[in-house]
Parts: sequence; structure tokens; C-alpha cells
Amino acid sequence: DAGVIQSPRHEVTEMGQEVTLRCKPISGHNSLFWYRQTMMRGLELLIYFNNNVPIDDSGMPEDRFSAKMPNASFSTLKIQPSEPRDSAVYFCASSLAQSGDGDTQYFGPGTRLTVL
Amino acid sequence: AQKITQTQPGMFVQEKEAVTLDCTYDTSDPSYGLFWYKQPSSGEMIFLIYQGSYDQQNATEGRYSLNFQKARKSANLVISASQLGDSAMYFCAMGSRRGGADGLTFGKGTHLIIQP
Repeated sequence: DAGVIQSPRHEVTEMGQEVTLRCKPISGHNSLFWYRQTMMRGLELLIYFNNNVPIDDSGMPEDRFSAKMPNASFSTLKIQPSEPRDSAVYFCASSLAQSGDGDTQYFGPGTRLTVL
Repeated sequence: AQKITQTQPGMFVQEKEAVTLDCTYDTSDPSYGLFWYKQPSSGEMIFLIYQGSYDQQNATEGRYSLNFQKARKSANLVISASQLGDSAMYFCAMGSRRGGADGLTFGKGTHLIIQP
């Protein structure tokens, strides 16, 4: 089975440009998560969706960041305008919400974003 | 608020020895899950093992086991018979259920190096 798919894998852009990161979750999963990883801050949750509905976006750093999930098989994370401090690896993860204490999240390969 | 603490920034271990990676957590949620992920130098996040807060037995997955001590709020990962391929960053994470899937809170990670 295909895992979580992210594109692009690498993105280099200039400050001020719009950046769009894409994610396709594992088929059948109903929860999707966006994380950011930097050396300084480690892995941080940005936003997550349950059944395509945004549940918690308190981790989104600024209004420059926005995320959408128009259907169960696609999500985007957009940064407009981008800044050098946005340089990081952005991970998308998905899970199947079930009864229990927690749901295992499976991560995509990540998008390495560099903003010059 | 949830918090994960990993006190070992780096560890060197001889091949074939057992390894224990420390993780302590703090939460006010009555129900939670604890996870370990491996991140090799290639960058992907690989799920290793999960422990639910109400699970009576410690979780095991092949050479991985989780030493869960609820009263001490610790969830240490034990790797038996370490291999060179175990060299990687290891992250402890926590998630809670609040009527659905929830985002994970990650520790800073432990960089494990297995020496021949």
C-alpha cells in the first residue's frame, strides 16, 4: 500500500514568493496532520484535520500560513509570502481515528523548504 | 499542556548491546498514547512502537520494547541486540484522544550511534 505522499520533496524559493506544499494521506485514513521540523524548535504540530475539517490550527505560526483539505485524499499547506525563517522540513502525517488512547500517525517523506 | 522530555542528546553503543532511550512525559489528560519514532539520516519518520495509557502490558515490536512506568511518567524505549542500522535520531511523542485524533507532542530526540 502507498504511504503518505508529499510533493515537492525539495523546494527552493526566494523571500516573498508563495509556496504550496501538497499531501496525499493514506487511503482510508480520516485524520491529517502538518508538522514542521527545525533544528531550533524540533518537531512542531502546525494544524490537523479530522474528516477534512480543521480542528486545531493553534500551531500555525502566522497568518502567512494557511492549510486546506478539500477532500479526503488531498491537503495543501500554503505560505504567502515566504520568509527565510520558514526554511524547515514540513511533514504531513495521517492516521485512522479509532477507539483507544491514541492513533498511530504515519509520516510522509517530508518537503525540505529553503527560502533564500 | 503536554510535555515530553528526552534527556540524552546523544548515545554511543557497541553493536549487539541492548540500548535504553529515556523518555519522561507530563500531561493532565486521563487517556493518552505514547509513541516512538525513528528518523535515520535520510530524514523520514518511521513509526516504531505504541503504548496506550491503559494498556496493562508493556508494548513489544520485534527488537523494540517500551518500558512503561505510569507512576513515574516514563516510557523508555529498549532496543535489544543493537545493529548498525539502528543508528538514527529517536523521538518520543505523546498524543491524546479528545473525541478524535489529536496531534502529537514530540521530545527533542536522542541521537543514537551504534559502533562496530
